[in-house]
Amino acid sequence: GAVVSQHPSRVICKSGTSVKIECRSLDFQATTMFWYRQFPKQSLMLMATSNEGSKATYEQGVEKDKFLINHASLTLSTLTVTSAHPEDSSFYICSARAGRETQYFGPGTRLLVL
Amino acid sequence: QQQVKQSPQSLIVQKGGISIINCAYENTAFDYFPWYQQFPGKGPALLIAIRPDVSEKKEGRFTISFNKSAKQFSLHIMDSQPGDSATYFCAASRDNQGGKLIFGQGTELSVKP
Repeated sequence: GAVVSQHPSRVICKSGTSVKIECRSLDFQATTMFWYRQFPKQSLMLMATSNEGSKATYEQGVEKDKFLINHASLTLSTLTVTSAHPEDSSFYICSARAGRETQYFGPGTRLLVL
Repeated sequence: QQQVKQSPQSLIVQKGGISIINCAYENTAFDYFPWYQQFPGKGPALLIAIRPDVSEKKEGRFTISFNKSAKQFSLHIMDSQPGDSATYFCAASRDNQGGKLIFGQGTELSVKP
């Protein structure tokens, strides 16, 4: 199957700092990328959908000024958590989709804000 | 109407047994139903998926049964193995909504040796 990578796999930062997470589709061009967050023992919650070259579409309740998403190319999307606070600590997962095909998920990024 | 309800929340099965996880949806516009497997600390991996024009799909030990009239679909894992112990998520999406996946709540499966 298709491969999606994320970097970093885990990050610890101080409250008030910004953190950038990268999501790359390694062997296909992703027309659409999705960003999810997942709390322990819970399901995946979609945060936003991004199409290459377009502004991201955020789900209701997700602050677009806090979670900045950039989909600059067909193989790279980034999520920046701005002014992170302890409540932003979570597992962030991206997925990538080529056209009408299946979504392939990255391995996730564990964010811990102290 | 956008929800996908998954049950049970947790499941314990003996090695060699059959694991069955069920999902129900309301929105008849959904046209793609995948199942994902997730190990702790990892991203979800696609197991098997089905579209509503098919009532059953089998891949190895994994089978999806789909009941369009009842708006339900289920995952059957035959000859369950300890390595199958993971969390399983069903999901549903509509192609005309950009493939946005609506996930079920997840089922934590434990297969005892």
